[in-house]
Amino acid sequence: DSGVTQTPKHLITATGQRVTLRCSPRSGDLSVYWYQQSLDQGLQFLIQYYNGEERAKGNILERFSAQQFPDLHSELNLSSLELGDSALYFCASSSRLAASHNEQFFGPGTRLTVL
Amino acid sequence: QKEVEQDPGPLSVPEGAIVSLNCTYSNSAFQYFMWYRQYSRKGPELLMYTYSSGNKEDGRFTAQVDKSSKYISLFIRDSQPSDSATYLCAMSEAGGSYIPTFGRGTSLIVHP
Repeated sequence: DSGVTQTPKHLITATGQRVTLRCSPRSGDLSVYWYQQSLDQGLQFLIQYYNGEERAKGNILERFSAQQFPDLHSELNLSSLELGDSALYFCASSSRLAASHNEQFFGPGTRLTVL
Repeated sequence: QKEVEQDPGPLSVPEGAIVSLNCTYSNSAFQYFMWYRQYSRKGPELLMYTYSSGNKEDGRFTAQVDKSSKYISLFIRDSQPSDSATYLCAMSEAGGSYIPTFGRGTSLIVHP
């Protein structure tokens, strides 16, 4: 158990809908990262927050947004969902903004299915 | 061409075999090299990391980095059925955010 929790575990929704994925980092970790994992693309970095502020952006679509709250939990909002958004979404946390080996602790993921 | 290339497999080996997992990359600025293990329906977990070139050993696992060839390897000795998982290589540049770029992962099956 990494100490990172994600809810829900599974989410099934329809195209055009909006969903919110939630992540609670390990106790004391200030950095939260969001990743998307699909069979054809592998693990793709989406966005990083550190102590409530956005710090890095990866391949995140405009339809997706995220935020980190004062209690350090984070939410990833996915809107106008398309079939291609079906994937595993992972949250990871680390204690530092940018550690040399950047050890990130991953949560168990949320499996999103868009029908 | 992707920045990090990794054969997705699956790679099937008998118990006790030596396993070699590899990645190639194109970005010469990568300095930190990591291997993550991901069991089915779980998140990735960091297995090993190395800085720059060279070898690093941890029990049955050895990580090798050859920066001149832009090639990294993970060797697993005396493989066990419990090693069956997907292995993802990841690498990052020094400085900045250190956010890693991941390979697609290689699925390893160790059969008894």
